[in-house]
Amino acid sequence: GAVVSQHPSRVICKSGTSVKIECRSLDFQATTMFWYRQFPKQSLMLMATSNEGSKATYEQGVEKDKFLINHASLTLSTLTVTSAHPEDSSFYICSARVGQGSYNEQFFGPGTRLTVL
Amino acid sequence: AQKITQTQPGMFVQEKEAVTLDCTYDTSDPSYGLFWYKQPSSGEMIFLIYQGSYDQQNATEGRYSLNFQKARKSANLVISASQLGDSAMYFCAIADSSYKLIFGSGTRLLVRP
Repeated sequence: GAVVSQHPSRVICKSGTSVKIECRSLDFQATTMFWYRQFPKQSLMLMATSNEGSKATYEQGVEKDKFLINHASLTLSTLTVTSAHPEDSSFYICSARVGQGSYNEQFFGPGTRLTVL
Repeated sequence: AQKITQTQPGMFVQEKEAVTLDCTYDTSDPSYGLFWYKQPSSGEMIFLIYQGSYDQQNATEGRYSLNFQKARKSANLVISASQLGDSAMYFCAIADSSYKLIFGSGTRLLVRP
């Protein structure tokens, strides 16, 4: 159990286009989903926290108009990188939390590698 | 604010030997969770082991054990009987009451045959 999927796994786009990344919890309902970004040879940095039916909470320094997050259901959150530029090229990973009270209930997706030309 | 420090950017270990990866943390929250993840070159985050701040015993999961020293705020990962497949990046992370995971900078482990 506790499987999280991401789609697409890899995307290459031209500068100026928008890219949507989906994060789905396949066998559980996720009260909260988190979006992380990882640049090459660096650690994961939390971008935003997403709760179903409410606006996402963004970490300091993350542009909310640039990275649009929609959490339409308990099993799906989407991250849209708007007007992508080469500096947005990164590895984007989502995680989903079951939310039963323990800290150890967060499950990661396989990640999406975005390359902006 | 939470903070994780991993002071070893890279480590080597001989196959079949044990290795310790260091992790220290800082938090003002009395309740928190500590994690170790493995990230191979494919990028996926593989959960290895978890330690709750109120757990009395050190966590163990197969060849992985967590040396939790609360007073020193350290949560070192011990991998016993290293295998070639253990070569990867290893991240220590902390979650506080917000459930956000804050990661350290990581340690790249290379297992030599």
